[in-house]
Order: sequence, then structure tokens, then C-alpha cells
Amino acid sequence: GAVVSQHPSRVICKSGTSVKIECRSLDFQATTMFWYRQFPKQSLMLMATSNEGSKATYEQGVEKDKFLINHASLTLSTLTVTSAHPEDSSFYICSARESGGAVVTQYFGPGTRLTVL
Amino acid sequence: QQPVQSPQAVILREGEDAVINCSSSKALYSVHWYRQKHGEAPVFLMILLKGGEQKGHEKISASFNEKKQQSSLYLTASQLSYSGTYFCGTEGKTDSWGKLQFGAGTQVVVTP
Repeated sequence: GAVVSQHPSRVICKSGTSVKIECRSLDFQATTMFWYRQFPKQSLMLMATSNEGSKATYEQGVEKDKFLINHASLTLSTLTVTSAHPEDSSFYICSARESGGAVVTQYFGPGTRLTVL
Repeated sequence: QQPVQSPQAVILREGEDAVINCSSSKALYSVHWYRQKHGEAPVFLMILLKGGEQKGHEKISASFNEKKQQSSLYLTASQLSYSGTYFCGTEGKTDSWGKLQFGAGTQVVVTP
């Protein structure tokens, strides 16, 4: 299957700092990527849809000024958690779907575990 | 809206079967099944696109009833490696392309 990578895999930061998470599709192009957040023992909650070359679409209740998304190329989307606080600690996972054609499978990256002290 | 998964959890002995159900309140374009091990990202199992479609992955198979807006995942002759949390992700017919809503998950524990 297609490969999606995330970096970093784990990050610990102080409250008030900003953290950038990268999501890359390694062997395919993705005009659309998705960012999810997962709290312990809970489901994956879609945060936003990242669109290459245009603004991201955020789900209801997700602050777009706090979670900045940039989809600069067909293989890279970044999520920046600005002024992170302890309640932002979570497992952040991106997914990507190959552009074009009838392929609809969505592949997940390995996730980034964020801990805000 | 999130699809509803049942049961919440199931404990199996190796070799036993189980069924996980996923039900949506809206018309579906596709249903995706994933398995997640503790501390890891979800791993894609299969996708069902058409009503009545059935697919298999090793001894794990799934069906999709488009009219009832339901999908079921069948674990047959379960193995220890089947342990994990299973999520269904649904894509509604009127949703933006690729947008999935995930159920709460079904925790599966397979014991020797």
C-alpha cells in the first residue's frame, strides 16, 4: 500500500510554544490530506481537510488560528499547533488519499504524539 | 455524524469468530475498515464501495448493505494478531471527497 510519513513521531514542549508536524505522501501525490486528533481510548476526530494550493477546511469546533495548516505541495502538508497548552496533548494523525483515478483508499501516517507540559 | 459501532468490546479465544457492526444515519458512498494497535496509527484493512459488496483480507471479511447504511466486519478463526481496536470510517454521499467519520471503535482481545 501507499506510504505516508509523519515527523516528528513524538514531541514534548513547554506550554505556550508552537509545534509543527509534517505529513508526507512518499510514493504518491495527494491533493487532499486530512488531519485527525485522537485522545486516549477514543476515536479519531477529524480536525481539518488540507487542500493543496488552497485554504484548509476546518471541522466545527476546531480553531483555525490555533491549528494552522499549510499544504504547500502535492506531497506535503504541515500542521502547526500554535501556543500549545496541556489540553492540546494528543495523538495527531494525518492521512492522504491518492489524487485522481478511482483509487479511494485513505492511508494514515504513523502519528505524532504531542505532550505539552 | 459519527457512525455507530457495536459491540464496544469483545474477548475471543484463538480460533473463535466475531462480528463487528457499523451503522450510519446517512447515505453512504463508502465504508473503510481499519485496525489500530495500542500506540500505533490505524492500519487499512479494506474498503467497500458498492451496496452488497463483500471483501476479504486473510480471514477477515466485510460486507456493505447500502440500503441499510450498514457494514459488518467478520473475524473468522481469530488469531492472536487480530487483537486491537477496529474502526469503521464512513464517507457520506454528500460529504466532501475523502472525508471520513469514524466510529468509536471496537476493542478486540484474542486470548490463547
